[in-house]
Formats: sequence, structure tokens, C-alpha cells
Amino acid sequence: DAGITQSPRHKVTETGTPVTLRCHQTENHRYMYWYRQDPGHGLRLIHYSYGVKDTDKGEVSDGYSVSRSKTEDFLLTLESATSSQTSVYFCAISASGGGSGGYTFGSGTRLTVV
Amino acid sequence: GENVEQHPSTLSVQEGDSAVIKCTYSDSASNYFPWYKQELGKRPQLIIDIRSNVGEKKDQRIAVTLNKTAKHFSLHITETQPEDSAVYFCAARTYMDSNYQLIWGAGTKLIIKP
Repeated sequence: DAGITQSPRHKVTETGTPVTLRCHQTENHRYMYWYRQDPGHGLRLIHYSYGVKDTDKGEVSDGYSVSRSKTEDFLLTLESATSSQTSVYFCAISASGGGSGGYTFGSGTRLTVV
Repeated sequence: GENVEQHPSTLSVQEGDSAVIKCTYSDSASNYFPWYKQELGKRPQLIIDIRSNVGEKKDQRIAVTLNKTAKHFSLHITETQPEDSAVYFCAARTYMDSNYQLIWGAGTKLIIKP
């Protein structure tokens, strides 16, 4: 499949602990996105990046931070995990802004906060 | 803010019949409209897209139509098969916060009855 991988695939963590999810791409795409997916809410944008060190907030950014120090990696950090952050997290990449031409999604990370 | 409404939330059709999913968008400047299919437990994948200078696009059993005046677009699946069962998301590309972004519909669960 397309060159995008997410790690870990599954994670269980305790409330209050920090968690970092990694998205790695080999497509050299400029744009990267983090979404969360919950039943009844579809895909909600957390943060996105339009270049190295260039990031911006999405609609549900509270409690999350991101970093992009190189083109291929986009990290999502939950500084202090809460049960409301239990979700499936998808990373996506695109060559152009707003996904014109399509987003490619990673396989997702299922995060459970207990 | 920008909004994409998707209907119905659940659609059940007999195998072999046609299915239609509709989306409306609020930003008249939106210029790109993709459709994604997400099978259970998997990542969303682009199945078809249309740009604002085109009224209709077909790819085998699927087609998308766009009515810019009414600001709505639809996904049409003919001769439905069991493997069409999935959640379908529409999206519209819009310019906001100094970047192009995709605004997503809430999804339609398509059930194909044997």
C-alpha cells in the first residue's frame, strides 16, 4: 500500500500519562493530518501540518500537541491522557492542500485510556 | 463555519439495487469533492472525486454528480454487491485559516441485504 505507517497500532494507557503517536511517510508529501474517529462523529481534524515545523490546529485540538521536525514524520502527543481521548486515530497525507487529488490514510491507532 | 451535511446516516438496499448518498456544502467557493469508503476496521480510502468544473464523473459502478448552484453532490452506486457494504464519507475542499482543508460529512453506513 501507499507509504504511510502509524505506530503503535494499539495502545492502552492510564489516565494522566503522556502518549505519543507516530506517523511516518515515504511519499515526500507536504501535508500531513491527524484525525480522530469516534462512533457518531465521523472524522474530526485534530492538527495538521503544511510543512516542516509548520502546523496548525483543527476543530478538536484541545489536549493535543504535534510536532514535525522532518518531512516524513508527524507526531501527535497527548500530554496527559484522559478517558475522552479513547479513540481511533488516523494520520493522512496529501501532496496538495485540502487533499485535492486525495488523502492517503494510515491504518490507524486504537488508543484506550483507562 | 463551513459545513458539509450528509444524508442518510444509514442506507439499507437490496443486493443488485442502486444506492444514492447525498451531501450539501455551505462554501460556494469549494472546488473539490472526494468520496471515501471505509470498510469495517479499515482505513478510509478514496473511491472517486470530482472537481467544480465538472458536473458528473463515472468509474464503473460508481458515479458522482455535482450541482454547484444548489451546492450539493451525490454518490451513486449501481448494481450493489455485498462488498459495497461500508461507511461512505463525502468531503468538500474549502479555504480557511490560510490553508485549504477538507470539511467532512458525518458518514453514511451502507448495508447491502442479500
